[in-house]
Amino acid sequence: KAGVTQTPRYLIKTRGQQVTLSCSPISGHRSVSWYQQTPGQGLQFLFEYFSETQRNKGNFPGRFSGRQFSNSRSEMNVSTLELGDSALYLCASSLAYGGADTQYFGPGTRLTVL
Amino acid sequence: KQEVTQIPAALSVPEGENLVLNCSFTDSAIYNLQWFRQDPGKGLTSLLLIQSSQREQTSGRLNASLDKSSGRSTLYIAASQPGDSATYLCARGDSWGKLQFGAGTQVVVTP
Repeated sequence: KAGVTQTPRYLIKTRGQQVTLSCSPISGHRSVSWYQQTPGQGLQFLFEYFSETQRNKGNFPGRFSGRQFSNSRSEMNVSTLELGDSALYLCASSLAYGGADTQYFGPGTRLTVL
Repeated sequence: KQEVTQIPAALSVPEGENLVLNCSFTDSAIYNLQWFRQDPGKGLTSLLLIQSSQREQTSGRLNASLDKSSGRSTLYIAASQPGDSATYLCARGDSWGKLQFGAGTQVVVTP
């Protein structure tokens, strides 16, 4: 069974631009979560989607948004990029909503903002 | 404020020694505790998931325990190998599925 895939793997953007990251969960998984990883703050929760609905949101500004499609694939969008948005963005999928199942992570998208 | 702490931040052991990694959390109303491994520049690999009703989980050379009353989880890796070198992260899960991570323990196993 294929694992969680994320595209693109690497991105370089300049301040003020916007970016869209994509995540395809493991087949059959309906929950997708997004995390930001930086050297200073570690791993921080962004949001979680289940059945195309955002169920939970972390403490990030409104510039960070996402959505989930009917096939469970998810996208994350960051508008008006800032230097501090440079990070590894990870998505994770699980079978069900509610934390009872193991979360499986993708390889991440490395975003660099210049 | 709920926190997850991992001590030590770094650990170096010779091959063959057993590894003991510690994780503590401040909120005993934990839903589950998950251990991950992260290799440099890579994503996270799930190692073990312990539900709040369980006390331990085992997989091969790995064993993880959970003590909710003391707010601690311990990951044991038996007979360490150079391939075990990585950063190990624990994460406290809530009922919504949100994971709160510790900063990780960077492990180096020397041949």
